[in-house]
Amino acid sequence: LAKTTQPISMDSYEGQEVNITCSHNNIATNDYITWYQQFPSQGPRFIIQGYKTKVTNEVASLFIPADRKSSTLSLPRVSLSDTAVYYCLVIYNFNKFYFGSGTKLNVKP
Amino acid sequence: GAVVSQHPSWVICKSGTSVKIECRSLDFQATTMFWYRQFPKQSLMLMATSNEGSKATYEQGVEKDKFLINHASLTLSTLTVTSAHPEDSSFYICSASRDSRVNTEAFFGQGTRLTVV
Repeated sequence: LAKTTQPISMDSYEGQEVNITCSHNNIATNDYITWYQQFPSQGPRFIIQGYKTKVTNEVASLFIPADRKSSTLSLPRVSLSDTAVYYCLVIYNFNKFYFGSGTKLNVKP
Repeated sequence: GAVVSQHPSWVICKSGTSVKIECRSLDFQATTMFWYRQFPKQSLMLMATSNEGSKATYEQGVEKDKFLINHASLTLSTLTVTSAHPEDSSFYICSASRDSRVNTEAFFGQGTRLTVV
């Protein structure tokens, strides 16, 4: 299973764009990259998933370079309610997730 | 999105007693569910894979006799913490997917806060 590395924490201000990068040097050919958000005392919530290039949905964008050894989650114009822990996972097939340490994003007013 | 519900949301029990936590997929069937444990300020740790109609598969270091898992139907898995001790106090979370195909999105329950006194 591919191991992921993310910054432990990040600070931002309301209205800014936040980019969180994840390294996954050992990603396998069939692995997908998936990001989850977790608020205190809640279960993780799916944000976005991608395989290569760029994926965008209503809440975020995911940028994946050609070598797929890293990925960047982009949150446009964050608000205080985006303060949470963000987890990057590489997943294949069986939805058995091993979570890394995650990135604690602190959005300030 | 699909809903996975856990019950109870929180529970306080006395040391030595057993506690059962339920995980239900409300609007889809799940042949496989997963149980996680999360200590304060730490990441989620996978405990076991719950398989409908068969024995659960436990991760290394997780005591199967301590954490009993039953997956009796396609919409319900239960985790029983037996003879609970204060060190078992934690946040327990389950997840389930719609089917077993590649990279199906997994849905997580809201978690159960267990406090053993």
